[in-house]
Amino acid sequence: GAVVSQHPSRVICKSGTSVKIECRSLDFQATTMFWYRQFPKQSLMLMATSNEGSKATYEQGVEKDKFLINHASLTLSTLTVTSAHPEDSSFYICSATPRRAGTYNEQFFGPGTRLTVL
Amino acid sequence: EDQVTQSPEALRLQEGESSSLNCSYTVSGLRGLFWYRQDPGKGPEFLFTLYSAGEEKEKERLKATLTKKESFLHITAPKPEDSATYLCAVQGVDSGYALNFGKGTSLLVTP
Repeated sequence: GAVVSQHPSRVICKSGTSVKIECRSLDFQATTMFWYRQFPKQSLMLMATSNEGSKATYEQGVEKDKFLINHASLTLSTLTVTSAHPEDSSFYICSATPRRAGTYNEQFFGPGTRLTVL
Repeated sequence: EDQVTQSPEALRLQEGESSSLNCSYTVSGLRGLFWYRQDPGKGPEFLFTLYSAGEEKEKERLKATLTKKESFLHITAPKPEDSATYLCAVQGVDSGYALNFGKGTSLLVTP
């Protein structure tokens, strides 16, 4: 149990285009989903926290108009990188917290999406 | 502000050579300390959550321990398949369930 999927696994796009990344919890409902970014040889940096049906909370320094997050249901969150530029190239990883009693602070991660902007 | 420091940055072990990875942390109030394993190009794989000082958890060749200031991940008789980056993260009572990660320890186990 506790499987999180991401789609696509990798994407290459031209500068100026928008890219949508999906994050799904496959066998549980997620109270909260998180989006992280990881640059080469670096650790995961939290970008934003999203709760189903409400606006996402962004970390300091993360542009909310550039990284649009939609948490449409208890099993799906999407991250859209708008007008992507080469500096947005990174490994984007989502995580989800199961909506079940006693485990409110567990987080399970997706496999990640490698974004390359040319 | 929560801080997590992992050491060493990299560790090379011979197969069967036991060792420990360290995670030092500062947090206003600890909700949980997490250990993950990450293979190249993949998302982190959950290993353990520790909630209070003195707690220990084991899984196969791995054992995690927790004090008020640090956590150790002990690897007993490692195998080459244990090679990966091991990430430590803390969740503070003020963080809204988000995780604050350390930079990780890159472990290489040679035959």
